[in-house]
Amino acid sequence: NAGVTQTPKFQVLKTGQSMTLQCAQDMNHEYMSWYRQDPGMGLRLIHYSVGAGITDQGEVPNGYNVSRSTTEDFPLRLLSAAPSQTSVYFCASTKLAGEGEQYFGPGTRLTVT
Amino acid sequence: GENVEQHPSTLSVQEGDSAVIKCTYSDSASNYFPWYKQELGKRPQLIIDIRSNVGEKKDQRIAVTLNKTAKHFSLHITETQPEDSAVYFCAAHYSGGGADGLTFGKGTHLIIQP
Repeated sequence: NAGVTQTPKFQVLKTGQSMTLQCAQDMNHEYMSWYRQDPGMGLRLIHYSVGAGITDQGEVPNGYNVSRSTTEDFPLRLLSAAPSQTSVYFCASTKLAGEGEQYFGPGTRLTVT
Repeated sequence: GENVEQHPSTLSVQEGDSAVIKCTYSDSASNYFPWYKQELGKRPQLIIDIRSNVGEKKDQRIAVTLNKTAKHFSLHITETQPEDSAVYFCAAHYSGGGADGLTFGKGTHLIIQP
């Protein structure tokens, strides 16, 4: 199993550009989530999904959209990038909704100039 | 929503000594409390977790204690080794009010001095 994969690993955007961060898992996990990690702030939940076709907002959802058309994939879309979205983004999945070991992807380091 | 406070932000201990990291949470309905270790440039990885119906759990040199009444939980690492140097995050799982997820503390940078 590859576990949780994310692409790209690094990305530089200009303010106002849009892009999609990809996330996939091959463990047949129902629950998937996106976090952002900023220095001194820990990990903050952006959006999550408890199954295909179901998404919901986390702690810091503004400026981001998600969709979950399949169990495996959970892309995160930045609609109009802002410098405040410069961060490291982690996708994670777990077998049970929100509880149990979260398996994290390798992360995407995003810089918005 | 849930709020998790973690202390200290930095902890330096001599190799072989013990390290203790403490967290408090605000939502008494939270029922699952994991601890993650993150090495520089790597992804967070689960090292131990505890559920609200258990007061203590141990795995070799690592233990976690939970006090539901006081709403705090702690990570204990004994006989620290250089490879224990990393950032450690506590978290609390909340479910309710349409939300379902983990709230993380801000992390503790553990430094093991040789």
